[in-house]
Amino acid sequence: KNEVEQSPQNLTAQEGEFITINCSYSVGISALHWLQQHPGGGIVSLFMLSSGKKKHGRLIATINIQEKHSSLHITVSHPRDSAVYICAALKTSYDKVIFGPGTSLSVIP
Amino acid sequence: DTEVTQTPKHLVMGMTNKKSLKCEQHMGHRAMYWYKQKAKKPPELMFVYSYEKLSINESVPSRFSPECPNSSLLNLHLHALQPEDSALYLCASSQESEAETQYFGPGTRLLVL
Repeated sequence: KNEVEQSPQNLTAQEGEFITINCSYSVGISALHWLQQHPGGGIVSLFMLSSGKKKHGRLIATINIQEKHSSLHITVSHPRDSAVYICAALKTSYDKVIFGPGTSLSVIP
Repeated sequence: DTEVTQTPKHLVMGMTNKKSLKCEQHMGHRAMYWYKQKAKKPPELMFVYSYEKLSINESVPSRFSPECPNSSLLNLHLHALQPEDSALYLCASSQESEAETQYFGPGTRLLVL
């Protein structure tokens, strides 16, 4: 079993829909990153969380340390949000980043 | 300037060639990383440099040789690669360690023939 799991693996949404991507992890972490990777390959760091909730524009990320779970929400999705979203956990025992498998999001106009 | 640049964008090389990938950042970051990413897979860490010294080598074959000539530059020297080494190679940097937000470059797409 992977130490970092994501669901769903693939997601297709209509423009304007509220989207949730989930990340669960089985290791002790000090922080969790949410990353966005567009088809060209470049990766953008969206959030780094160690507790609670962060918001940036239409994006919201939450983390529940006790439940070892994080969610990324897009409140009003847009076709330009189409990308792969990756959660990456920073392990506490050793400063090592473990990447989840990614969620491929496609937003249709 | 929050940009990490990588050159070249694309590279095609034969198995006997020697080539180098280059990564540059001017954010004053002291930690720099090389990742390898195969299609539809998450990035895999290859090397970490901290204060220009190699701190992590994730059991990468010796045909990949990293170099950090100064705090802004990170190179990856390639020699005698195999076709299975074809992938997207991503560079990233962070302030001091993996405990902080990493800023990624656009990647170099490598094809080994």
